[in-house]
Amino acid sequence: KAGVTQTPRYLIKTRGQQVTLSCSPISGHRSVSWYQQTPGQGLQFLFEYFSETQRNKGNFPGRFSGRQFSNSRSEMNVSTLELGDSALYLCASSLEAGQDTEAFFGQGTRLTVV
Amino acid sequence: GDSVTQMEGPVTLSEEAFLTINCTYTATGYPSLFWYVQYPGEGLQLLLKATKADDKGSNKGFEATYRKETTSFHLEKGSVQVSDSAVYFCALSTGFQKLVFGTGTRLLVSP
Repeated sequence: KAGVTQTPRYLIKTRGQQVTLSCSPISGHRSVSWYQQTPGQGLQFLFEYFSETQRNKGNFPGRFSGRQFSNSRSEMNVSTLELGDSALYLCASSLEAGQDTEAFFGQGTRLTVV
Repeated sequence: GDSVTQMEGPVTLSEEAFLTINCTYTATGYPSLFWYVQYPGEGLQLLLKATKADDKGSNKGFEATYRKETTSFHLEKGSVQVSDSAVYFCALSTGFQKLVFGTGTRLLVSP
């Protein structure tokens, strides 16, 4: 069974640009969540989608947005990139959206903003 | 708000030593508790979980017990191996798929 696939694995962007990251969940999983991982702030929740609806959002500025498609694939977009957006972005999928449901993580996309 | 506090690392041990990584939490409601592990260059993998008070999660020789009275979920292993070297994250969830993570504890096991 294929795991969670994130593309691309690495990205280098310039300040002010925008970027789109992609996540393909495990087949049959309808919940997709996104996290930002940095050395200073650790792992922080960005947002969660279930059946194309955003159900939860973390404390990030409006420059961070996402969406989920009918096949459960998800994208997140960051506009007007800042140096502080450099991070590992992790996507997780789960079968359901309950609090005790296991989340399966992808390997992440490492974004570097220069 | 909800939060997780775990011990600073790195934790350095010799092979076959006993491991404890402390984790305490603050949450409204009744959270589910998790330990995730991250190997170099990889995403996170679920190690174990507990969903209610006094539950014990266990996997691959690791154990943690959900202690509501002390709001703790300490990770233990009786005999670590070099292959256990990784970063360990304690986390909680109180709804949907929003995980709140601790800062992570790096474990280094030497032969």
